[in-house]
Amino acid sequence: QVQLVQSGAEVKKPGASVKVSCKASGYVLTRYNMHWVRQAPGQGLEWMGTINPSSDSTSYAQKFQGRVTMTRDTSATAVSMELSSLRSEDTAVYYCARGIVVVVSATPNAQDAFDLWGQGTMVTVSS
Amino acid sequence: DIQMTQSPSTLSASVGDRVTITCRASQSITFWLAWYQLKPGKAPKLLIYKASTLESGVPSRFSGSGSGTDFTLTISSLQPDDFATYYCQQYNPYSGPVAFGQGTKVDI
Repeated sequence: QVQLVQSGAEVKKPGASVKVSCKASGYVLTRYNMHWVRQAPGQGLEWMGTINPSSDSTSYAQKFQGRVTMTRDTSATAVSMELSSLRSEDTAVYYCARGIVVVVSATPNAQDAFDLWGQGTMVTVSS
Repeated sequence: DIQMTQSPSTLSASVGDRVTITCRASQSITFWLAWYQLKPGKAPKLLIYKASTLESGVPSRFSGSGSGTDFTLTISSLQPDDFATYYCQQYNPYSGPVAFGQGTKVDI
């Protein structure tokens, strides 16, 4: 079954970091870019960045530059997103989402539609 | 960066209604537009990509149209499972980061 399964909910204090994982099954992880999108309570969707799992190259939204790191695990079946220096405004549901376009180069494809999504991970930042 | 504006923000409808949601881009994105359905506690679902291409497995009552700056998602006959929030997204390869509309909630 083709699916993305994310790690569980997290509660963090301001200033801490959080790492959310996304395990792919039913397809070859390295064939498609993986994106991260978040949704704060009562808000819309916000794209955070992407990783090309075949080359480990990344492209991040300007808003998150310096605070976000996207990586692929050594088994090449999962990717992770780490967000540092957390603040209350980072409270949100975080989704991984597979890009619709097959990877054809080492460059991450930041402009993509997303055809497969994880179930979401709630991250709460509170003192 | 391109801004996406959806309307309406909320839409009240009944089962069997024809429903139309619009999405406008701040500049031309040709056909690089997708539509998603979001329900609480569930993974978001891609409905339409490239403005009018129906994703595999999506019921044919969903359709998309438009090009340039103005786009439409239509549900021809609303079903109980369709009560959800819908988002448009631009992904033009030639114009900066992807961007989502602010969403349209379809409720009873």
